Amino acid sequence: GAVVSQHPSWVICKSGTSVKIECRSLDFQATTMFWYRQFPKQSLMLMATSNEGSKATYEQGVEKDKFLINHASLTLSTLTVTSAHPEDSSFYICSASSDRGVQPQHFGDGTRLSIL
Amino acid sequence: KNEVEQSPQNLTAQEGEFITINCSYSVGISALHWLQQHPGGGIVSLFMLSSGKKKHGRLIATINIQEKHSSLHITASHPRDSAVYICALSYGNKLVFGAGTILRVKS
Repeated sequence: GAVVSQHPSWVICKSGTSVKIECRSLDFQATTMFWYRQFPKQSLMLMATSNEGSKATYEQGVEKDKFLINHASLTLSTLTVTSAHPEDSSFYICSASSDRGVQPQHFGDGTRLSIL
Repeated sequence: KNEVEQSPQNLTAQEGEFITINCSYSVGISALHWLQQHPGGGIVSLFMLSSGKKKHGRLIATINIQEKHSSLHITASHPRDSAVYICALSYGNKLVFGAGTILRVKS
C-alpha cells in the first residue's frame, strides 16, 4: 500500500518551454503533498508544501511564479516549471502524506528534468 | 551547525558485514525517519521512529531521544543494499534531511 506515482520520470526540453510534473497517490488520499528538488550529490531541498484545495506554501527563495503547484484533488498534485531554463535542470521528487502532518511521507520515484 | 548530521558520508563494506550509520540532531523532534534512495533516485521510507527500536528484516533502527541520536544497522549486508541512506527529522510540519550516507556493499 501507500504508492505514489510520479510522471514523467525523465524529460528533456528546450529552454523557454513549460514542463508539468504529476504526482499521484494511487491507493490513499493525500491530504498533503510535498515537492522537493535535489542537486547532484546533495540532499533533498523542500520547495513547497501543498494541502488539497488550498494554495501551496513555498519555502524561502523558491519562486512561486516559476514553480506553479496545483493540488486540486486528494490524489493529484502537479508542479509546473514555467519558462524553463538550463539552471532549472534538476531532479524533482514529490511525496504525499495522508494527514496534514509529515508522518509518514510516501515518495514518488522522481523526475529528472534536463533543459537544453 | 546543521540540525542533522550523518556519519559516515561514505561507507564501503564487504558482503556479509554488519553496517552502522549514525544520525545526530540538535533540535526537538516528533519523529525521525530513515530513508533509502536508490541510484535511480526513488526513495523508500524504511523506518519512522519516535522512541526505542524497530526491526524489519535485516534492518534495525534505534533512537535515543535524550542523546538526540539514532542509528541504522544492516545485518548480513548484501550488494543490493548499496544505496544512499538518509536520516530525516520531523520538525514542525516539515522533514529536515541529513546529507545522506553513500553505502556500497561489494561482493
